[in-house]
Amino acid sequence: QKEVEQDPGPLSVPEGAIVSLNCTYSNSAFQYFMWYRQYSRKGPELLMYTYSSGNKEDGRFTAQVDKSSKYISLFIRDSQPSDSATYLCASAYSSASKIIFGSGTRLSIRP
Amino acid sequence: ETGVTQSPTHLIKTRGQQVTLRCSSQSGHNTVSWYQQALGQGPQFIFQYYREEENGRGNFPPRFSGLQFPNYSSELNVNALELDDSALYLCASSSATGGRAKNIQYFGAGTRLSVL
Repeated sequence: QKEVEQDPGPLSVPEGAIVSLNCTYSNSAFQYFMWYRQYSRKGPELLMYTYSSGNKEDGRFTAQVDKSSKYISLFIRDSQPSDSATYLCASAYSSASKIIFGSGTRLSIRP
Repeated sequence: ETGVTQSPTHLIKTRGQQVTLRCSSQSGHNTVSWYQQALGQGPQFIFQYYREEENGRGNFPPRFSGLQFPNYSSELNVNALELDDSALYLCASSSATGGRAKNIQYFGAGTRLSVL
């Protein structure tokens, strides 16, 4: 079993829709949770960074962590074609330790 | 842009050869981590360097080795290349000086290695 599981998609939604991306993780020792966005032929770009459980909002993006169910979510409101990319969820034991990534979900926003 | 630069951008090698990939970390960052990303997969941790010492290693064989220099730049060396080594190699820098936010890892654009 992979430590971080993510549905690879692809996921296609119309412009303006609310997008929900989800991951599960298996190790209860994870304390840090991240979402990265990766455009084709580019490195991952950090979108959201959360410590422990709870919600975090940044503009159109909201990250949620539920440690009781080991569930990580990213919501994108008012989705734009420029949001089309691969989204990687990730977890870490500590703030300086290795990052363990899911396999990524390919998202396409249709104009 | 994260300020993390990697070179070269692309590289083609043949099986059995050796390769060196380079990374310049973001200004003020003293920790470098290397990841391998196969096509359609998430990045996998290779190893991390802090103050020129290896500080954690993933499930990769010894033919994957690294260096960190006094200016915190880093190299990844892979010996005896195999076909399965074809991947995007990513470098990430962070600052292990305390505080949760400062330890976020910022990635470069990667080096795409093809082994024929």
